Amino acid sequence: DAKTTQPNSMESNEEEPVHLPCNHSTISGTDYIHWYRQLPSQGPEYVIHGLTSNVNNRMASLAIAEDRKSSTLILHRATLRDAAVYYCILRDAYSGAGSYQLTFGKGTKLSVIP
Amino acid sequence: GAGVSQTPSNKVTEKGKYVELRCDPISGHTALYWYRQSLGQGPEFLIYFQGTGAADDSGLPNDRFFAVRPEGSVSTLKIQRTERGDSAVYLCASSLIVTKGDEQFFGPGTRLTVL
Repeated sequence: DAKTTQPNSMESNEEEPVHLPCNHSTISGTDYIHWYRQLPSQGPEYVIHGLTSNVNNRMASLAIAEDRKSSTLILHRATLRDAAVYYCILRDAYSGAGSYQLTFGKGTKLSVIP
Repeated sequence: GAGVSQTPSNKVTEKGKYVELRCDPISGHTALYWYRQSLGQGPEFLIYFQGTGAADDSGLPNDRFFAVRPEGSVSTLKIQRTERGDSAVYLCASSLIVTKGDEQFFGPGTRLTVL
């Protein structure tokens, strides 16, 4: 599976936008970009995913670079409840068995300052 | 509706003992996954089930680990002769069907401590 690189940690002020970067320079044409987050003492939860076009949902936006070698998760207005570890994960839509699981890295720990 | 539940939430055991960890997936979800998370790390894949069968168990670290899902719903992760290195949070996830794009829903995990 292609590898992702994320900063270890980031800080944001409450009610300000947050841009969480992810580099994936070896991404293949069939890799979807998924984001999950893990709040303290909880299991991970799905945030958003995309292939080529930018995506929006109620939680966040996903901006994908034109060459797809990087992407950015955007939280439009950070709240204290957004403090979590954010994981950027690539999932190949067409590879064979053994790729159904999520392959997590260490993610980015986001701290939100009141 | 009810999410993925895991029991117990915490388990403390002694080295060499046998433990069972239970996962109740979301009703109707055919795919079930087990992951293990050590402190400061992201979750690591252990095994996944499609229905009753283990479709991929390549993440199980050794033959002390075994998992079952006899009726295609509840799953049990079994660890024999526990070692201190088995201490971790064990996470279960389920998804409606097994696809590469499916959203996985995670339970809160079972924290296993081996003394």
